Amino acid sequence: RKEVEQDPGPFNVPEGATVAFNCTYSNSASQSFFWYRQDCRKEPKLLMSVYSSGNEDGRFTAQLNRASQYISLLIRDSKLSDSATYLCVVNMGYGGATNKLIFGTGTLLAVQP
Amino acid sequence: SQTIHQWPATLVQPVGSPLSLECTVEGTSNPNLYWYRQAAGRGLQLLFYSVGIGQISSEVPQNLSASRPQDRQFILSSKKLLLSDSGFYLCAWSDRFWNSPLHFGNGTRLTVT
Repeated sequence: RKEVEQDPGPFNVPEGATVAFNCTYSNSASQSFFWYRQDCRKEPKLLMSVYSSGNEDGRFTAQLNRASQYISLLIRDSKLSDSATYLCVVNMGYGGATNKLIFGTGTLLAVQP
Repeated sequence: SQTIHQWPATLVQPVGSPLSLECTVEGTSNPNLYWYRQAAGRGLQLLFYSVGIGQISSEVPQNLSASRPQDRQFILSSKKLLLSDSGFYLCAWSDRFWNSPLHFGNGTRLTVT
């Protein structure tokens, strides 16, 4: 089993749609989780951290389900500018100074006009 | 504020030639430092991470090595490049806290010919 798994997509959605991505992870002891966005041929950029209670930032909502070992990202009212690859990141380290951050392969989102 | 510098942006090297990519971080002390590689159409693969000067953890057996001669300097090297070393190389830093996200440099696009 891969350490971090994502559906590669692509997800083709119309503007204004709501889209959800899931990501599963193998290490039940993982403590921190993130979603990144990567535009074509660019470096990944932090979209949001994922907290145990779930968190929201504008149109974006992240959730963590520790029992089932998955995290999710919900995007509401999709914009053309949301088109990108969304990367799930899980800290497989032991906490403290040992941050070993593993990326999923990413889910490609294409928002259509 | 913290910044990360990575150079060069683009590099074309022949098979068998040496490689040296450099990354420096400003505005923070004792960061964790990372090298990732992204092959064309693939996900980010963690190559090396470092929690301090001279402390390097290698994640994948390969033709590459890393060094951290100063607190905020991280170098990726190879004595003899292979065709399979082509890819997008990304340096990143994080704070030492368990829930610290990664912050990436702009990346180096390496083509081995």
